Amino acid sequence: QVQLKESGPGLVQPSQTLSLTCTVSGFSLTSNSVHWVRQPPGKGLEWVGAIWSGGSTDYNSALKSRLSISRDTSKSQVFLKMNSLQTEDTAIYFCTRNNYYFDYWGQGVMVTVSS
Amino acid sequence: DIQMTQSPASLSASLEEIVTITCQASQDIGNWLAWYQQKPGKSPQLLIHSATSLADGIPSRFSGSRSGTQYSLKISRLQVEDTGIYYCLQRYSNPPTFGGGTKLELK
Repeated sequence: QVQLKESGPGLVQPSQTLSLTCTVSGFSLTSNSVHWVRQPPGKGLEWVGAIWSGGSTDYNSALKSRLSISRDTSKSQVFLKMNSLQTEDTAIYFCTRNNYYFDYWGQGVMVTVSS
Repeated sequence: DIQMTQSPASLSASLEEIVTITCQASQDIGNWLAWYQQKPGKSPQLLIHSATSLADGIPSRFSGSRSGTQYSLKISRLQVEDTGIYYCLQRYSNPPTFGGGTKLELK
C-alpha cells in the first residue's frame, strides 16, 4: 500500500539549514510527484514545493531563495533542504503524493526553530 | 496565485444537523478542487476531489458541489467523528493553494 514517512531533526537553530527526508513506498517517484506542505502550530496549510515525476521542481515563491528539493529514485526518497531558518519556519512538515490531488500524506514531522 | 477564501472560519453544529462549508476561488478553477478533513495531531485526509467526487472510503453523507467559482462541502447528517478542521485546495494551477480552514465542533 502507499505510504510516506518524513524524518529529520526536530530542533534546528536559527540561521541553520533544515534537512528532511520523505521515504515512500507503494508507488514510484517516476510515476507520481511528491509535494511538501507545512503547517505552523495552530495555523493552516501552506504549500512548500514539489518534485515532479520527471525530476523538475517547483517552489513556493516566498521560500524559493532558501529551498531545494531533490530525490533518490533508487531509494524512493525525496529530500527537502531549507537554509537560513527563522522562527517563522517552525511548523509540521508533511510530504504528500500527488495523484492530480494530494491523496496520501505522511504523518508529518514537527520542526522547531529555536536556539 | 489563486486565492481560496473559505468560510466560515469556525462552526458549531448539532448531531444529525446539515453542515455546509464554502470556498470562493479568486478566478476560474474549473472542477480542480478538493476538500480535506484534519483531526488533531493527524495529517489531512482527502474527502472530495474534482469538486464533487467522493474519495475512496469516505461516507456518503459528505458531498461536494460547485456554482461558478464557489465550491461547497456539505455534511448531510453530522456525526461525532466529523469534528475537525476542513480545508479546500485548488489544483487548477501552480502553486496549489489552500483555503484558510473551517473548524467544525459539536454543539
